[in-house]
Amino acid sequence: NAGVTQTPKFQVLKTGQSMTLQCAQDMNHEYMSWYRQDPGMGLRLIHYSVGAGITDQGEVPNGYNVSRSTTEDFPLRLLSAAPSQTSVYFCASRSGTGNTGELFFGEGSRLTVL
Amino acid sequence: AQSVTQPDIHITVSEGASLELRCNYSYGATPYLFWYVQSPGQGLQLLLKYFSGDTLVQGIKGFEAEFKRSQSSFNLRKPSVHWSDAAEYFCAANMLPNDMRFGAGTRLTVKP
Repeated sequence: NAGVTQTPKFQVLKTGQSMTLQCAQDMNHEYMSWYRQDPGMGLRLIHYSVGAGITDQGEVPNGYNVSRSTTEDFPLRLLSAAPSQTSVYFCASRSGTGNTGELFFGEGSRLTVL
Repeated sequence: AQSVTQPDIHITVSEGASLELRCNYSYGATPYLFWYVQSPGQGLQLLLKYFSGDTLVQGIKGFEAEFKRSQSSFNLRKPSVHWSDAAEYFCAANMLPNDMRFGAGTRLTVKP
């Protein structure tokens, strides 16, 4: 059972570089989301999607882009990385688009921006 | 503003002792409430959730949580802690559609 798969697990970037964090789920979940985790701040929602072709901003969207061309994939793009984007990133998915479902998380991607 | 607060950043308990982790939320209505656990280097796993009805909910690994509307709280408890319970615990609430908010987390250390 793969669940939610994130790649890469670790990445080091220089300021100004771009990269894409990949997220794939094999549970046919409609809802997918990206969070960042920073010490003392818990998880904060970056972007989310309720289905293919539909995305929306979360609490901290600046500096990040997303798209959802298929049900399975939800990549997160950093167009010009900044040191403030050093964090651990989690992708999560959920069946349905309501508020009651459990989120299933990937194992995280640790990003360092120098 | 909608928020979830976990007042304790770090808690240390002895193995076999009881545990209570605190969680408070700020919202105009009762949100859907969750507790997740994160082991080092791992993603988050759901322990339990509360939507409505019985205010005492049971979860996995022997955990339970009690919802108290009057205190806007959803505290997590376990009668007897095991060394394998050492992890970080997050309280979360779905206050708005598709927007789950997390507390800052409580790191649990278990002494032998």
